[in-house]
Amino acid sequence: GIQVEQSPPDLILQEGANSTLRCNFSDSVNNLQWFHQNPWGQLINLFYIPSGTKQNGRLSATTVATERYSLLYISSSQTTDSGVYFCAVDRGSTLGRLYFGRGTQLTVWP
Amino acid sequence: SQTIHQWPATLVQPVGSPLSLECTVEGTSNPNLYWYRQAAGRGLQLLFYSVGIGQISSEVPQNLSASRPQDRQFILSSKKLLLSDSGFYLCAWTGVVNTEAFFGQGTRLTVV
Repeated sequence: GIQVEQSPPDLILQEGANSTLRCNFSDSVNNLQWFHQNPWGQLINLFYIPSGTKQNGRLSATTVATERYSLLYISSSQTTDSGVYFCAVDRGSTLGRLYFGRGTQLTVWP
Repeated sequence: SQTIHQWPATLVQPVGSPLSLECTVEGTSNPNLYWYRQAAGRGLQLLFYSVGIGQISSEVPQNLSASRPQDRQFILSSKKLLLSDSGFYLCAWTGVVNTEAFFGQGTRLTVV
């Protein structure tokens, strides 16, 4: 199957700092999603971004499909941004089946 | 708007007992439905997916089974739980054309 690698595995920031999370994937993909897993375990959709750049408030994402990577930018981080951020890709071969990276654990201190 | 419900939120079951986790989707028809498991260490693994009533595909061999008795209902079951079945189980849906996935709130299963 396709390999999805996320970096860094862990990130500790002070409130107000900016950060960049990276997702590399080993093969061409149909779609790519970024999720935030909150402390209760729920996966919150952040971006559905097979290519290009999208922005939503303090968060933005860029996917360069030809180079097989995606970046998630978090600006002016807040303690509520803490949690695990997942990248997941859909190869299009199994009807929306997602392949997940192992995530980046983000901790934001006040 | 579409919503996905999953219950129970937490479950503690003894080894050898049966399991039934339920997931329902509202506000859409003929969704693709998925069961994922998240073990310790954060990775999510696809267990089952379904493209229609009675149609189930399994990704990995295991002690679990899935059923789809109605269009918007997906059930994860086991006849006899093992310790290794402990984990966080998440149900998800996508559309047929738009494959953006949406997840339920998850069930934390502990087998003791």
